[in-house]
Parts: sequence; C-alpha cells; structure tokens
Amino acid sequence: EDQVTQSPEALRLQEGESSSLNCSYTVSGLRGLFWYRQDPGKGPEFLFTLYSAGEEKEKERLKATLTKKESFLHITAPKPEDSATYLCAVGTSGSRLTFGEGTQLTVNP
Amino acid sequence: DAGVIQSPRHEVTEMGQEVTLRCKPISGHDYLFWYRQTMMRGLELLIYFNNNVPIDDSGMPEDRFSAKMPNASFSTLKIQPSEPRDSAVYFCASSLFWKGGYTFGSGTRLTVV
Repeated sequence: EDQVTQSPEALRLQEGESSSLNCSYTVSGLRGLFWYRQDPGKGPEFLFTLYSAGEEKEKERLKATLTKKESFLHITAPKPEDSATYLCAVGTSGSRLTFGEGTQLTVNP
Repeated sequence: DAGVIQSPRHEVTEMGQEVTLRCKPISGHDYLFWYRQTMMRGLELLIYFNNNVPIDDSGMPEDRFSAKMPNASFSTLKIQPSEPRDSAVYFCASSLFWKGGYTFGSGTRLTVV
C-alpha cells in the first residue's frame, strides 16, 4: 500500500527564518511527486511536480527537491503570506494521487 | 477560465436526506476527481473519471455514495441516505492527463446533523 508521511505536522517560523518541510514516501512505482499549498477554506493549489531523483523545482521562495525516498520543500526567507498547509502527494498506478496529512506552516511577522 | 466550479459551497442537511454535490471541471480537461477531506483522514480519493468514464471507484465508502459524469462539463456526487459521519469537505478536481497536477475547486462543506 502506498504511504506518504509529512513532517513536521506544524511549523512556526519568524519572518525571514528559512526551513524545510519533509515528505517521505513508500510506493511501488513512483510516477511523480506533487506539492500543493492549501489556504483555509480553499482547495489545494498546485505548486510543483517532480519526476525523478535529483530533480529540483523553484518558485519564488520555494524550492522542491526529490530523492528516492523523500522530498523536501525548502522555504527561503519566508513571509507571512507563505502561511498555509503544504501537502505532498505521490502519483502511482493509473492517475490517482495519494496525499500526505500536510504540514501547517505559520510565519510570524 | 473560471477554474473548477463546485456547488453548493455549504450544505447542511438532516440525517437520512439525499445530498447532491455538483462540479463543473475546466473546459478541455479529461480527468475529473472527487476527494473528501476530514481532519482525521486528510484528503481521500473517492472516485475518478477519464473522458466521462468512471475508472476507479474503490474509494467510495459504501453503496450510499454514487457519482456520475453525464458529459465533459458536469459531474455529480450523491449521498443517499446521508449520515453524520459523512460530514466533511468534498473537493472536485480536474486535470489534463495528470502530469500538470490537478486544479481543485473551492469545495463543498457538508454537515449532516
């Protein structure tokens, strides 16, 4: 059974304090690893897709990396508007995605 | 494009009543997904369609749940009869293939009392 585990469950940072979120996975045949951002009361918003170990993607203050067993979402010099829940998902058989529980990030000014 | 449109945004119903949730995917997308989100279980895939055909409904909790996609621009998720444990946020998402990631709607918050 595909498993996705995100850590930490919650993270509180000061504005400008860089950190990383972790997503570890156990799947049979990874077809892609996805990162989403979810704001309260809204649906998840797509951020990145990573397909193979060693791949990196960047968007503004966010950088996602992928190894054979885990992915990291690095947040550089975060701002309060980066506060959200960040979800990791793995794509395996067919077209289904299996999501992790998410990391709730709070950035204080 | 207006994105994925779900209705209603909020639904409060009494146990035993029928509930119908609606979704309009992004035009041109060939995959449509129904997810349920709760604090306890996170985001769970209920069912997905490809070109209006149901492909995998293994996540549908029980026979009380049914989903249809009569055409490329409309899908429904029906719960009959509804139970308090069905209370959750139900999301619809669509994608072109799946490599680009899904586009989610804003969700329907269902409360069954």
